[in-house]
Amino acid sequence: ELKVEQNPLFLSMQEGKNYTIYCNYSTTSDRLYWYRQDPGKSLESLFVLLSNGAVKQEGRLMASLDTKARLSTLHITAAVHDLSATYFCAVEWGAQKLVFGQGTRLTINP
Amino acid sequence: DTAVSQTPKYLVTQMGNDKSIKCEQNLGHDTMYWYKQDSKKFLKIMFSYNNKELIINETVPNRFSPKSPDKAHLNLHINSLELGDSAVYFCASSPMMGNQPQHFGDGTRLSIL
Repeated sequence: ELKVEQNPLFLSMQEGKNYTIYCNYSTTSDRLYWYRQDPGKSLESLFVLLSNGAVKQEGRLMASLDTKARLSTLHITAAVHDLSATYFCAVEWGAQKLVFGQGTRLTINP
Repeated sequence: DTAVSQTPKYLVTQMGNDKSIKCEQNLGHDTMYWYKQDSKKFLKIMFSYNNKELIINETVPNRFSPKSPDKAHLNLHINSLELGDSAVYFCASSPMMGNQPQHFGDGTRLSIL
């Protein structure tokens, strides 16, 4: 059974700093998704990573995928308060089934 | 224009009751899903339907019964509600072909008293 693990689960950082969230998964897959969830809200799609070596960037966020290492990273550059949220990675595993990581709760302090 | 809409947004009820949650999508997607998010924010798929046909049925108590009258609608009926059913239930949809993210509704927060 596919397991998806994120770390850290909680991250408190200062504005202007850089940090990385890691997403490891246990079984071969070449489709990985990153979502953002604000408190009490829905999940918003951030990135779709479809192949080994894929890199996507949007503003201060950059996501990458290494299918051989079964690892994806979400890098935050020069964090701003608006990026405070919970970030989920999700790995696709057969018949469009998404298996989610536990989520990383990111708090960015002024 | 709401892409994936769920009703109701909040549902407070007593143990033993039966309740339904409705979901509709206007994206023209072929596949719809139900997810459960527990109090620790962990998200787990429950069911998925592709063009009204059940394709994913995770280990969910049979008190939960999904119904898809057409490909734009996927409802969830829950019988004999238990305390452990308290959670946020999300509906989502996606095109049948992969490579596209799933679009999520706003969620239904179910609280069992």
